[in-house]
Amino acid sequence: DTEVTQTPKHLVMGMTNKKSLKCEQHMGHRAMYWYKQKAKKPPELMFVYSYEKLSINESVPSRFSPECPNSSLLNLHLHALQPEDSALYLCASSQVPERIAGHNEQFFGPGTRLTVL
Amino acid sequence: GESVGLHLPTLSVQEGDNSIINCAYSNSASDYFIWYKQESGKGPQFIIDIRSNMDKRQGQRVTVLLNKTVKHLSLQIAATQPGDSAVYFCAETGNFNKFYFGSGTKLNVKP
Repeated sequence: DTEVTQTPKHLVMGMTNKKSLKCEQHMGHRAMYWYKQKAKKPPELMFVYSYEKLSINESVPSRFSPECPNSSLLNLHLHALQPEDSALYLCASSQVPERIAGHNEQFFGPGTRLTVL
Repeated sequence: GESVGLHLPTLSVQEGDNSIINCAYSNSASDYFIWYKQESGKGPQFIIDIRSNMDKRQGQRVTVLLNKTVKHLSLQIAATQPGDSAVYFCAETGNFNKFYFGSGTKLNVKP
């Protein structure tokens, strides 16, 4: 199974709502990532988890709160978002980099299309 | 057909022609590079990668060239097919964890 799944596929929320995005993989990968992608722009790294611990936070506002409850799951909790946070949120997973001598392919999910009203 | 990456975000080629997509990267410490293909409504899909100790790597119908002197990366697609139509991103990293994506090039393949 080389698939990363993300739910929901689409999400519309108001600025006062609390919602969560979910990501799951069963490839045994111990590194998981959240990216944000605006229309016609490249993905931008938000968070990196390595062995279920947060290793990189790219200065993301606290209204985005990541969580990695186990090695297969990654969540992104959303609270008090702004309309400019509307974007495609992509999850990815890979083997932990220091264990790799060759390449480190990241497998991406299809994303959650988020609209903040 | 050939693109210049940031300055020509859309490349149109005829089916069967070869395509060349270019990418300029900025971090001289980057030592690992990946080309991704992103189709509409989907996440990026790995195409091919290259480490900085190589200057060329070939896959099936694709070749990646790396010129570290001028910090330039290119993706060559042989015999381009309609299914190759997508946005192509290069990504670079210096520590395998933090990948930075280039701005992307949209490839349109005309039948």
